[in-house]
Amino acid sequence: GIQVEQSPPDLILQEGANSTLRCNFSDSVNNLQWFHQNPWGQLINLFYIPSGTKQNGRLSATTVATERYSLLYISSSQTTDSGVYFCAVVVRRALTFGSGTRLQVQP
Amino acid sequence: DGGITQSPKYLFRKEGQNVTLSCEQNLNHDAMYWYRQDPGQGLRLIYYSQIVNDFQKGDIAEGYSVSREKKESFPLTVTSAQKNPTAFYLCASSGRISTDTQYFGPGTRLTVL
Repeated sequence: GIQVEQSPPDLILQEGANSTLRCNFSDSVNNLQWFHQNPWGQLINLFYIPSGTKQNGRLSATTVATERYSLLYISSSQTTDSGVYFCAVVVRRALTFGSGTRLQVQP
Repeated sequence: DGGITQSPKYLFRKEGQNVTLSCEQNLNHDAMYWYRQDPGQGLRLIYYSQIVNDFQKGDIAEGYSVSREKKESFPLTVTSAQKNPTAFYLCASSGRISTDTQYFGPGTRLTVL
């Protein structure tokens, strides 16, 4: 099946810093989503982005489908950005998740 | 409000018991899914359903069962055959399978005593 690799696995930032999270996948995909999992476990949709670039406030994402990777940019990070960020892709049916990037933003 | 609800939030089970986790959505979505998350890991697919009265096994279906009698409901039963059921269970739905955005419920934490 498809492989999804996320990097880095862990990231510690000072408040106000910028960061880039990467997601590599091993096959062509129909769907790619980025999620933020908060400390209570809720998965929050960030982007639905099988290709192209999208922006939402301080967050933006770019997927280059032909090269099989996606990037999530977080600018001017805040402590509320802490948590785990997941990339997930669909080839035929449901989502296949990467193992996540655990982000800690320190005040 | 539109969304996905899961109940209970926390569930404790004795070994050998079957338990059923509830998932309800009022988004009028055709497709529904169950995922399992173990500590420090991503989610893995248990079962999915594209339409009422139809469901398919995912990657880790052994020891689980589902039904889809109504569009808005997709309950998951964790049977005694599931060897290591302690985990966080998340339900999701989407308009169509594979190409539409999936939305997730708040999850159920199951602990086997």
